[in-house]
Amino acid sequence: NAGVTQTPKFQVLKTGQSMTLQCAQDMNHNSMYWYRQDPGMGLRLIYYSASEGTTDKGEVPNGYNVSRLNKREFSLRLESAAPSQTSVYFCASSGSPYGTSDPWGYSNQPQHFGDGTRLSIL
Amino acid sequence: GNSVTQMEGPVTLSEEAFLTINCTYTATGYPSLFWYVQYPGEGLQLLLKATKADDKGSNKGFEATYRKETTSFHLEKGSVQVSDSAVYFCAHNAGNNRKLIWGLGTSLAVNP
Repeated sequence: NAGVTQTPKFQVLKTGQSMTLQCAQDMNHNSMYWYRQDPGMGLRLIYYSASEGTTDKGEVPNGYNVSRLNKREFSLRLESAAPSQTSVYFCASSGSPYGTSDPWGYSNQPQHFGDGTRLSIL
Repeated sequence: GNSVTQMEGPVTLSEEAFLTINCTYTATGYPSLFWYVQYPGEGLQLLLKATKADDKGSNKGFEATYRKETTSFHLEKGSVQVSDSAVYFCAHNAGNNRKLIWGLGTSLAVNP
């Protein structure tokens, strides 16, 4: 049971380069999230997608774009990488066992995380 | 507003010691409360949760009780092991919002 899979696991970029972080989940979850984790800052939400076809900004969206390609996949793109974007990036998903017919069920569902992408920008 | 405050780490304990990690929150509505654990080099995973006042979540010897009157959800374990060394995050979902509000995490190191 794979859960949430992130690729790549490690990446080094030069300032100004672009790249896309990939995330896929096999739990049929409606909601997906991208976070960054920095020392002393905890987890900060970059973007999230409450359901297929929708995306919304989180706390720190500047410099990033996202695409909810389908229900399984949610990618994060850095168009022009900057050293301040050096971080560990986590993708997560969550969903109600009753699907979208249970609008309150999602509130008690935990988020499931991938193992992260460690990104360094020189 | 919505927030989570956790005690600062690092917390260093000897094996078999009692653990408490404090967590307090502010929230609109009636949130569910969560504790997540992050082992070195891994993503976060759910440790336990509580969905209403006075609920006790428990897992792997850890416990936390949803205290609405003190807006707290302190994590406890009676006897820690070296394998419990990790970072622990407290979070809530601010009512019926799909987003989680996170604490900054508390690092725990358990020495043999």
